[in-house]
Amino acid sequence: EPEVTQTPSHQVTQMGQEVILRCVPISNHLYFYWYRQILGQKVEFLVSFYNNEISEKSEIFDDQFSVERPDGSNFTLKIRSTKLEDSAMYFCASRDSGLYEQYFGPGTRLTVT
Amino acid sequence: GDSVTQMEGPVTLSEEACLTINCTYTATGYPSLFWYVQYPGEGLQLLLKATKADDKGSNKGFEATYRKETTSFHLEKGSVQVSDSAVYFCALSTGGGNKLTFGTGTQLKVEL
Repeated sequence: EPEVTQTPSHQVTQMGQEVILRCVPISNHLYFYWYRQILGQKVEFLVSFYNNEISEKSEIFDDQFSVERPDGSNFTLKIRSTKLEDSAMYFCASRDSGLYEQYFGPGTRLTVT
Repeated sequence: GDSVTQMEGPVTLSEEACLTINCTYTATGYPSLFWYVQYPGEGLQLLLKATKADDKGSNKGFEATYRKETTSFHLEKGSVQVSDSAVYFCALSTGGGNKLTFGTGTQLKVEL
């Protein structure tokens, strides 16, 4: 069964460093999303992406964040200058056109020290 | 804005007990409703969905009915197993599959 994959599974970085989180969505899906889950809190929407552009973003998704689909398979989330409060589990999700449900990857745990 | 309210956990049950996890929502328009499950150390898995009023979603013995009049989507299972131990998230989306808005999650622990 097709699935969303994410790498790395765990990333440790120092405050102020740039990180890139990578996702490979399900191959025929056209809509892509990033969410995050701070430990013990709810899952929060960050950004949605369709047709090579951002379709919606949350207040969390400020100028420090960017997304890119550099080729036909990868979808990346970049944090330019990480803060301690960026420590969280980051989930990528994808959705097929015409369907409502999103399929999630296993997540990348980001730890900022 | 849109919001989802779930009952607080953890919920601890004995194996074969009945489960209900309450979920209510506030949304503009007509949302689609979902239950996702997160097993320990894993990501979010879609458990079931309902896209219009009175629809019943079901999977793996779990059910939930979209109740527009009470803005609810309660998760039920007649007989839980130890393997059902996980965190359950209620979520909604509006506008034909846009962003998901999640509840806080309810941890379920099933004991022998």
